[in-house]
Amino acid sequence: EAGVTQFPSHSVIEKGQTVTLRCDPISGHDNLYWYRRVMGKEIKFLLHFVKESKQDESGMPNNRFLAERTGGTYSTLKVQPAELEDSGVYFCASSQDSVLWGDLNSPLHFGNGTRLTVT
Amino acid sequence: QQQVKQSPQSLIVQKGGISIINCAYENTAFDYFPWYQQFPGKGPALLIAIRPDVSEKKEGRFTISFNKSAKQFSLHIMDSQPGDSATYFCAARGYGGSQGNLIFGKGTKLSVKP
Repeated sequence: EAGVTQFPSHSVIEKGQTVTLRCDPISGHDNLYWYRRVMGKEIKFLLHFVKESKQDESGMPNNRFLAERTGGTYSTLKVQPAELEDSGVYFCASSQDSVLWGDLNSPLHFGNGTRLTVT
Repeated sequence: QQQVKQSPQSLIVQKGGISIINCAYENTAFDYFPWYQQFPGKGPALLIAIRPDVSEKKEGRFTISFNKSAKQFSLHIMDSQPGDSATYFCAARGYGGSQGNLIFGKGTKLSVKP
């Protein structure tokens, strides 16, 4: 099965510009997550979609970030306008289940990430 | 309280040695503790995970030791190999949380020397 696909793999933009990241989850995975890792820091949760609905967006840093998942398939994460502190690696992940107790056989599958550099 | 503290930041081990990475948490509501392995240019991949009702879980050369009273858990890699060189992240999930709403540690970069 194809894994989680993210593109672009790298993006370099100037402060104030707009960037849109895309994630294609594993086919059939209703749950899609966005994470971000700023250099040297922990990987931080941004938000969680169940199909096309935002289940939890508590990790979104501010209103410059907009995530969408129209049709419940791929997702986009737009940063507008980008700031220097937005630089980092943005990961997308998907899973089949979001069972409360957690099915250890239904893990998160991460994409390879998009490395965003804002100059 | 919503933190997972991971140490060391980096680790160098000789081939055949034991690699040990430690994590600590404060929130007793965490109920799921996975470890992820990440190679350069790739995304994190689930390595092994444990629930707090067991004290140890072993899969091949990888073992999680869990100390509920101390609120600590650790990853042991036995007979470490150069192919194990990667960044390792511990994580935790709050009770009732979704599969993917994980709180990660800052990561440990492991280098296994031949």
